[in-house]
Amino acid sequence: EPEVTQTPSHQVTQMGQEVILRCVPISNHLYFYWYRQILGQKVEFLVSFYNNEISEKSEIFDDQFSVERPDGSNFTLKIRSTKLEDSAMYFCASSARQRDGYTFGSGTRLTVV
Amino acid sequence: RKEVEQDPGPFNVPEGATVAFNCTYSNSASQSFFWYRQDCRKEPKLLMSVYSSGNEDGRFTAQLNRASQYISLLIRDSKLSDSATYLCVGTGAGNNRKLIWGLGTSLAVNP
Repeated sequence: EPEVTQTPSHQVTQMGQEVILRCVPISNHLYFYWYRQILGQKVEFLVSFYNNEISEKSEIFDDQFSVERPDGSNFTLKIRSTKLEDSAMYFCASSARQRDGYTFGSGTRLTVV
Repeated sequence: RKEVEQDPGPFNVPEGATVAFNCTYSNSASQSFFWYRQDCRKEPKLLMSVYSSGNEDGRFTAQLNRASQYISLLIRDSKLSDSATYLCVGTGAGNNRKLIWGLGTSLAVNP
């Protein structure tokens, strides 16, 4: 079964450092997303990406965040200057069509210390 | 009113029991709904889409009532492996595709 792959599975970083979270969506999918989940809380939408541009972003996705699809297969989330409150599980997801349910990657656990 | 609201549980049921989860949503213009399952510290996994006509997949039945803005999930003959958190999810209105998540309902199936 096709899957969404995320690396690394766990990243520990110091406050103020930049991190890049990587995702390889399912190859024939066209819609890409980043979500995050702080431990014990709801899954929260960060950003959606289609046709090489951001289609929607949430209030969480401020100037510290950026996404990129550098080479047609990878989909990255960059956090420029991490804060303690950025500690969360970050999930990448993709879907083939707008109305489909998503396939999620197994997540990157980001710990900011 | 929260956008998607679920009873957090936990629901503790014996193996073989039938259990029902309910979910309400506030945005009447939301178009699509899903049930996801999430195991502890794992990614959400799509369980099933939810349609007004109702849909069934094995032991699982989902139903959408647009008039009442209410979604349900029924699990029959529950198994130990059904123990997880069940997340009710809706999309935004119109072309808004972001998923709006409930907090989830925790289910523990006991031997």
